[in-house]
Amino acid sequence: QKEVEQNSGPLSVPEGAIASLNCTYSDRGSQSFFWYRQYSGKSPELIMSIYSNGDKEDGRFTAQLNKASQYVSLLIRDSQPSDSATYLCAGIYNAGNNRKLIWGLGTSLAVNP
Amino acid sequence: SQTIHQWPATLVQPVGSPLSLECTVEGTSNPNLYWYRQAAGRGLQLLFYSVGIGQISSEVPQNLSASRPQDRQFILSSKKLLLSDSGFYLCAWSQTGGVWNTIYFGEGSWLTVV
Repeated sequence: QKEVEQNSGPLSVPEGAIASLNCTYSDRGSQSFFWYRQYSGKSPELIMSIYSNGDKEDGRFTAQLNKASQYVSLLIRDSQPSDSATYLCAGIYNAGNNRKLIWGLGTSLAVNP
Repeated sequence: SQTIHQWPATLVQPVGSPLSLECTVEGTSNPNLYWYRQAAGRGLQLLFYSVGIGQISSEVPQNLSASRPQDRQFILSSKKLLLSDSGFYLCAWSQTGGVWNTIYFGEGSWLTVV
């Protein structure tokens, strides 16, 4: 069973701090990963995708991928109360000719003013 | 730019009644289309995906069905709803050329079966 695992949280950080969200995956062959943000009662919205080892930065967000250790992380700098949401991690794994997108259950983030 | 819309946004349906959720994508051609369900406290569950008109792949056997009558239209249906069908239904699309390219979601439809 291919899995993407996330700590459900809630992760609580003060405003202005760095929030660190982590995701581990079981399939070493997984190559592409995505971070989505989902506000309560709303649909998920894409934050970032990452395909290569290392860091990828977009504004206050940095995604990190470590294929050797099989984890993906999302750092949010200068956290704002508006960042309070559930963050979903997803990864693509290959099963022969079949590719699947596997979702984590999400980590709830609360940024306290 | 591409946009995706789905409707209705919310609905309350009695057990045994039919269901029809509709989704349309604008600004792109031949998109891959998906239906997901997100039940309370659970992750995203893929229900159906489509790579073209009339081409539907079902991921989970259940009393739901999907159809793609036009290139950018995707419909989720049921003839008789069950209580367990309650949840948040999400239509999504991705660029053609490979299933599981980056996925973009519609606004979602909240279904409560009573």
